[in-house]
Amino acid sequence: NAGVTQTPKFQVLKTGQSMTLQCAQDMNHEYMSWYRQDPGMGLRLIHYSVGAGITDQGEVPNGYNVSRSTTEDFPLRLLSAAPSQTSVYFCASSQGGNGYTFGSGTRLTVV
Amino acid sequence: KQEVTQIPAALSVPEGENLVLNCSFTDSAIYNLQWFRQDPGKGLTSLLLIQSSQREQTSGRLNASLDKSSGRSTLYIAASQPGDSATYLCAEGGLEYGNKLVFGAGTILRVKS
Repeated sequence: NAGVTQTPKFQVLKTGQSMTLQCAQDMNHEYMSWYRQDPGMGLRLIHYSVGAGITDQGEVPNGYNVSRSTTEDFPLRLLSAAPSQTSVYFCASSQGGNGYTFGSGTRLTVV
Repeated sequence: KQEVTQIPAALSVPEGENLVLNCSFTDSAIYNLQWFRQDPGKGLTSLLLIQSSQREQTSGRLNASLDKSSGRSTLYIAASQPGDSATYLCAEGGLEYGNKLVFGAGTILRVKS
């Protein structure tokens, strides 16, 4: 099925560990982005990309890195996990002015 | 800074009632506005997308309107059903680079049978 695929669905990390959240889309969309969702705060933009090789920071980029080597993939790297990064992470893709399609999310707990 | 506000934060209605969810935004250069549904522990499902040149969009029992001059959008749900219970999020897409979304905090809807 066409869409946005995120892996893993659940992850528990220890403080200081690093990991990569994977995101892939098969719709040939230009735009991809990462959001985090925290209770009572809605979704906030972490990083985004407007095409392969082009990334930029969103509202809450600290502690996260991204790269976009292909149109399809947009991984999010946590460099040194902190309890404040406990959240639900969503990847999304869009083509131009069309609406965004979201993945099913990754629930991350940092202990 | 762009801001999106959703009112009310929570709403409980009896089955069969028509209801309106409100979304207000501060960016006059809005590019589009999207309404999403989120079930507990799940991802976001797109309901309706309104481009800045449009006034409204309809899908089944759902109707979304957009008024750029007042900075408001509404989501109208007709003849509500218990299966409509979920969190409804609105998000504004701006004209600036990347068409980034700015989300409201959501309205939690409960439809009682």
